[in-house]
Parts: sequence; structure tokens; C-alpha cells
Amino acid sequence: GEDVEQSLFLSVREGDSSVINCTYTDSSSTYLYWYKQEPGAGLQLLTYIFSNMDMKQDQRLTVLLNKKDKHLSLRIADTQTGDSAIYFCAESTLNQAGTALIFGKGTTLSVSS
Amino acid sequence: GAVVSQHPSRVICKSGTSVKIECRSLDFQATTMFWYRQFPKQSLMLMATSNEGSKATYEQGVEKDKFLINHASLTLSTLTVTSAHPEDSSFYICSARGMDTQYFGPGTRLTVL
Repeated sequence: GEDVEQSLFLSVREGDSSVINCTYTDSSSTYLYWYKQEPGAGLQLLTYIFSNMDMKQDQRLTVLLNKKDKHLSLRIADTQTGDSAIYFCAESTLNQAGTALIFGKGTTLSVSS
Repeated sequence: GAVVSQHPSRVICKSGTSVKIECRSLDFQATTMFWYRQFPKQSLMLMATSNEGSKATYEQGVEKDKFLINHASLTLSTLTVTSAHPEDSSFYICSARGMDTQYFGPGTRLTVL
């Protein structure tokens, strides 16, 4: 079945860039997403990329998509302590009910000052 | 962006009781809503897809008689955990499908004593 893999932890210093990587399996995914979850909270959509794009930039966030390798990355420039959270990669896929999101296990980003 | 609310945000109940969780899309109509469950330090697991005016579609392994879903209007879906037991304690998150992605509620922390 569909699967989304992420590394579980990333630790960076404040001001450095963070790169969170993700691999997915469903080559027919139309959209790929990055969500942020702070402790005890729901998910906040950070950004998404359409499958026919290679790159999308939104302020400090850069998403790179390598569709051939089914690899997605999220780069956070000038990482701040407020960026500490869990980041989930998700692919859209079709299931019996229609389109659903399949999430990775999340990458915990820890930013030290 | 679109707003999705959940109520209650936190609930503690005795084993054997039933708990209802509401999910509302506040500024858009959602024909499709999703219910997820998240265990500590784990990813989101899709429980069911709820379409307005029809029966919910449950994912494999999710008991439909245990987790009752009602999507009576375009802005409201409810999840009722019937005869709750301690193993049902979890973080339940709903989402509503918008124009281009799913928008997530803030989650409901259920603790069953």
C-alpha cells in the first residue's frame, strides 16, 4: 500500500537552515503537503506542491520535489526556536472513499539557541 | 485560511460511557470530512471519511459500531466513541476538504479512565 517515510528527528542551531526529507510511494499523487504540529495542537498546513512542479518557495520555506525518485524535501531558512515542532509530509492518494491523505510519522525538529 | 473547529478540546470520561466530538468548518462548506486518530509520537491514522448525507467509509480495522460518524450538514460532522475504554484514549483530529487541501481542526484529547 501507500507509504510515506520521514526521518524521525532533526536538530539544528538557531539561524541555520533545516532540511526535512520525505519519500513517498504513490506516483499518482496530485499534491504533496507539509504540515506542522506544535505540542498538543492540531495540524497547520505549511505549504503544498503540485506534482508537476519541481520547486516552490514561500518566504522562508522551500519545497523541492523529485518526482522520479519520489522524494520531497522542506527547507526552512534561518530556523528559529519557534520552528521547533513536528513536521509531517503527506501525499494525496485515492482510496475507496475518494481522495485521502497519507501521512509520514513526522520529523521532530529541535532548534537550539 | 479556512478554519475548522473541534469541540470539546479535551474530555475525560469513565469507562463504558459514550463521548461525542464535533467538527465544524467555520467559513466554508465541506462535503467531505475526515477523522484521524493520533497516538503519542505517532503519525495520524485515518479512521474514516465522512460525506455529507451518506454513510461514512471506514478504514480497515476501524470498528464502525464503535466509532459512529454522522455528517448531517455541510459544516458539521460528529464522531461518537461508544462505550469508551481506556485503549480508546487518544488524540482525535478531524479535517475538512476545502478547495485545494484538507484543513485540520485543533484536535480533541480523549482520556478514558
